[in-house]
Amino acid sequence: AQKITQTQPGMFVQEKEAVTLDCTYDTSDPSYGLFWYKQPSSGEMIFLIYQGSYDQQNATEGRYSLNFQKARKSANLVISSSQLGYSAMYFCAMREKGNNDMRFGAGTRLTVKP
Amino acid sequence: NAGVMQNPRHLVRRRGQEARLRCSPMKGHSHVYWYRQLPEEGLKFMVYLQKENIIDESGMPKERFSAEFPKEGPSILRIQQVVRGDSAAYFCASSPPRETGIMFFGPGTRLTVL
Repeated sequence: AQKITQTQPGMFVQEKEAVTLDCTYDTSDPSYGLFWYKQPSSGEMIFLIYQGSYDQQNATEGRYSLNFQKARKSANLVISSSQLGYSAMYFCAMREKGNNDMRFGAGTRLTVKP
Repeated sequence: NAGVMQNPRHLVRRRGQEARLRCSPMKGHSHVYWYRQLPEEGLKFMVYLQKENIIDESGMPKERFSAEFPKEGPSILRIQQVVRGDSAAYFCASSPPRETGIMFFGPGTRLTVL
């Protein structure tokens, strides 16, 4: 069964500093996708970044990068140079090939301090 | 290029009434998913549909909940005889017809049952 674990309920970071949000997953399927979503206080779910299980390079999208360590089954989100507007809940998610649903972790609430 | 549309954004119902939540997927997306989010929790999968077909409803409560995605028009999530425990945010997502495809979420419908 799939399982996504985010061990940090809350994180604080100073503006312009980097921060890493942890995510580990559990699957026996060799083909899967890993995703990070941001949910600000307004409530919408915003797609940030995607990593395929066969991708050789770590995914990057602007200030976001995904530190993919396949052997450890971890997919940490790295935010470089945090901005005040980055304060939000961040969810890690996984979707196995052939599985219809995407499973979400419990989320990490990131607060960026000025 | 409009994103996933959901309406209404907020819905208030009294116990025993029916709730109808609508979702229009992104253009070119033929896969629709419904998720439920309780306060301070991650998203939980409910149902996956393609046009005129329910593909996977393993996350949907067996009673009172139903979903459809007709040939024409939006996908509908219907909750009959609502109870207070149905109060949650309901998100619709769509993805292109490709496995491990990225899901794009709508803004959600916040259902409050009085």
